[in-house]
Amino acid sequence: GAGVSQSPSNKVTEKGKDVELRCDPISGHTALYWYRQSLGQGLEFLIYFQGNSAPDKSGLPSDRFSAERTGGSVSTLTIQRTQQEDSAVYLCASSHRLAGGSGANVLTFGAGSRLTVL
Amino acid sequence: ELKVEQNPLFLSMQEGKNYTIYCNYSTTSDRLYWYRQDPGKSLESLFVLLSNGAVKQEGRLMASLDTKARLSTLHITAAVHDLSATYFCAVDMYSGGGADGLTFGKGTHLIIQP
Repeated sequence: GAGVSQSPSNKVTEKGKDVELRCDPISGHTALYWYRQSLGQGLEFLIYFQGNSAPDKSGLPSDRFSAERTGGSVSTLTIQRTQQEDSAVYLCASSHRLAGGSGANVLTFGAGSRLTVL
Repeated sequence: ELKVEQNPLFLSMQEGKNYTIYCNYSTTSDRLYWYRQDPGKSLESLFVLLSNGAVKQEGRLMASLDTKARLSTLHITAAVHDLSATYFCAVDMYSGGGADGLTFGKGTHLIIQP
């Protein structure tokens, strides 16, 4: 596609419910990232996918968070048993980045999914 | 732990004035990225600085990189209202291969008033 698409753009849920956020990266981009943006906290790295390699999950804040990427394209971020502190904008980005690449890594971001946990 | 610190975090300025946003980082990376985010919008890449002494300019914005000082600056010349946005700097998470991504600063929320 022309850009990185995320859905839903807004999600309001009740505490304890599970949510799924979807990301459709730019066609041909091998690297995909999830970030979380909270008010006043900048962007927090969550997880990174590169091709068919095992994802780097080092940024996931708890085991309630998980993500998968099917067929090297679409990714889904799942948050189980949501808590109020999970409220944030979840941003997905993709890049041309090759594994072990040495060039600049310019990420293209989607518009984000705003999650509100009541 | 890799740190990226921006200063100031909030800036209100008048049109026509000049100002500089600072970005300090703790890694030895020789690359630095600047992004812009408008309210409710996605982040948009502004500049990629690839080496010590690199300078990039677009319109009223100019970015520079000093890798020895681990400092990048984003200078605004004769500000106009359209430049109101949040500006983020970022560096590579890992400088020697392996998993890649960017570590971002907290952003500088810039408001330019008439």
